[in-house]
Amino acid sequence: DTEVTQTPKHLVMGMTNKKSLKCEQHMGHRAMYWYKQKAKKPPELMFVYSYEKLSINESVPSRFSPECPNSSLLNLHLHALQPEDSALYLCASRSEGWEYGYTFGSGTRLTVV
Amino acid sequence: TQLLEQSPQFLSIQEGENLTVYCNSSSVFSSLQWYRQEPGEGPVLLVTVVTGGEVKKLKRLTFQFGDARKDSSLHITAAQPGDTGLYLCAGGNSGNTPLVFGKGTRLSVIA
Repeated sequence: DTEVTQTPKHLVMGMTNKKSLKCEQHMGHRAMYWYKQKAKKPPELMFVYSYEKLSINESVPSRFSPECPNSSLLNLHLHALQPEDSALYLCASRSEGWEYGYTFGSGTRLTVV
Repeated sequence: TQLLEQSPQFLSIQEGENLTVYCNSSSVFSSLQWYRQEPGEGPVLLVTVVTGGEVKKLKRLTFQFGDARKDSSLHITAAQPGDTGLYLCAGGNSGNTPLVFGKGTRLSVIA
């Protein structure tokens, strides 16, 4: 298995809703990432997990809450989002070794109404 | 803060033409990666270059890492409509330091 699987593919939520995005990989990668990508822009880093521990939080608002239950799973819990949070949310993982590239999932297209 | 400047930002060419995309920085990177992203999908890794002066070929795509490991280029020969997409360069360093992404080049190849 050489994929990163993200669910759901599309999500529409109201500003008072609570929802979660899920990311799964079975490649044994110990670094996992959440990125946010707005239209026609490059991905922006949100969180980095290394060996299931949060190692980087890029000053992301607390309405985004990451979780890494085990080495294969990464969740992003969403609560009280704003319309400007609408974007493509990408998960990525990487093997150990700085020379390796990231494997990205297909993303979750989130719309906040 | 390390930055990667990518140029051009947009490129629209006819099928069969050649093109080059540039990625430049004032900082040294341990590795340079190129990704291609299609609409509604995640970026897909095309290549990683790690040695200064390294050249890698992937069919009609040629990637080069500058001697000083501060810049890279992607050259596409005889572009095809299937090459259309967003091309992202990304610089990597040792350890688990996250990649630094360029702003991307949006390529459109018209049949």
